[in-house]
Amino acid sequence: DIQMTQSPSSVSASVGDRVTITCRASQDISSWLAWYQQKPGKAPKLLIYAASSLQFGVPSRFSGSGSGTHFTLTITSLQPEDFATYYCQQANSFPPLTFGGGTKVEIK
Amino acid sequence: QVTLRESGPALVKPTQTLTLTCTFSGFSLSASGMCVSWIRQPPGKALEWLARIDWDDDKYYSTSLKTRLTISKDTSKNQVVLTMTNMDTVDTATYYCARILWFGVRAFDYWGQGTLVTVSS
Repeated sequence: DIQMTQSPSSVSASVGDRVTITCRASQDISSWLAWYQQKPGKAPKLLIYAASSLQFGVPSRFSGSGSGTHFTLTITSLQPEDFATYYCQQANSFPPLTFGGGTKVEIK
Repeated sequence: QVTLRESGPALVKPTQTLTLTCTFSGFSLSASGMCVSWIRQPPGKALEWLARIDWDDDKYYSTSLKTRLTISKDTSKNQVVLTMTNMDTVDTATYYCARILWFGVRAFDYWGQGTLVTVSS
């Protein structure tokens, strides 16, 4: 199974900050990586698919990059509604469709 | 408008079998590339993918749970059913169903609201 490792596991940031989250795959997954945002008590929401494509309706301050085994999610100018947990997920090799362990973005 | 909704028991006893139903609308599971997955999340923990069923009735399961899982679909009722046998307290989690377009986005673009299942005697 492909393992997905996210770092950091948590980050403290202020409104307006730039935040970068990293996701590493244990083997090459091409560009088949998605990013999700999850708020407490809610289902995850798709932000980015195919490593860098912004899902319809997602603000442009979210961006994704990478290919192969190294991927990043960047939030430029963090907004109050962005404080949440973020997950990466690979869709290249399955089963399983593996998720990362999550990164919690907290208010500094 | 695409929607998914999970339903099933909120409480099951250890060793029992859990049956969850995902009722969806706004898309057809017969359409090429359309898939529905089940994903769970124990309280305070990360997401875990469980199973997937495809438009052509192909089925895929979590490596660690495949002996306990069965996924099926009823296209006429727009439902996907997941059964998990021999439930244990560690299976306490919120269970989600989600849609994935394998020939397009290849990500879970629509999710149900989730249903919390507690395993306790």
